[in-house]
Amino acid sequence: EAQVTQNPRYLITVTGKKLTVTCSQNMNHEYMSWYRQDPGLGLRQIYYSMNVEVTDKGDVPEGYKVSRKEKRNFPLILESPSPNQTSLYFCASRPTGNTEAFFGQGTRLTVV
Amino acid sequence: AQTVTQSQPEMSVQEAETVTLSCTYDTSESNYYLFWYKQPPSRQMILVIRQEAYKQQNATENRFSVNFQKAAKSFSLKISDSQLGDTAMYFCAFLGGTYKYIFGTGTRLKVLA
Repeated sequence: EAQVTQNPRYLITVTGKKLTVTCSQNMNHEYMSWYRQDPGLGLRQIYYSMNVEVTDKGDVPEGYKVSRKEKRNFPLILESPSPNQTSLYFCASRPTGNTEAFFGQGTRLTVV
Repeated sequence: AQTVTQSQPEMSVQEAETVTLSCTYDTSESNYYLFWYKQPPSRQMILVIRQEAYKQQNATENRFSVNFQKAAKSFSLKISDSQLGDTAMYFCAFLGGTYKYIFGTGTRLKVLA
């Protein structure tokens, strides 16, 4: 089944403890991106990648890192999480030449 | 910079009735795409409908249709014969030459039995 898989679905962590949210797609898509969803703000892009080893900042990149070593994987890294990073996170992918984005199931992150 | 505005934070509609969700956007680009995504309580983001800016004909997908007014930069979603399963958050989104989706703040729709 074609899908974008995020893990974990839920995560509660403490301030300053490094964490990684994984994202994997099995559709051979070139574009991958991370969004955070907050009430009243919609979805905002954190980082995106146009292909392997090509990444760039989105609108809210502060406090986040990404890497794209393989085409299928695009992990989101929070080196030192803070409470203002408590949010719902989505990974999405799409192929070159197609406009429809395929989203993962979302990761609810709480930083205390 | 592109912006997408959804001015209705919440709406409700009776089952079987019709409801229209509003979306306006701002861009200087001439070629772009507009979308409506549905997010039910499961949190999954589901594409409802897509419109290409160079096409004058309004997109339709079963009970879902759009009113695309390019000059006015308006892109509303009409849901006909509303069903309980349509209860969800709806996001309007823009995709232009930057290859980045710009989302609105969402409209929470509740379909009443």
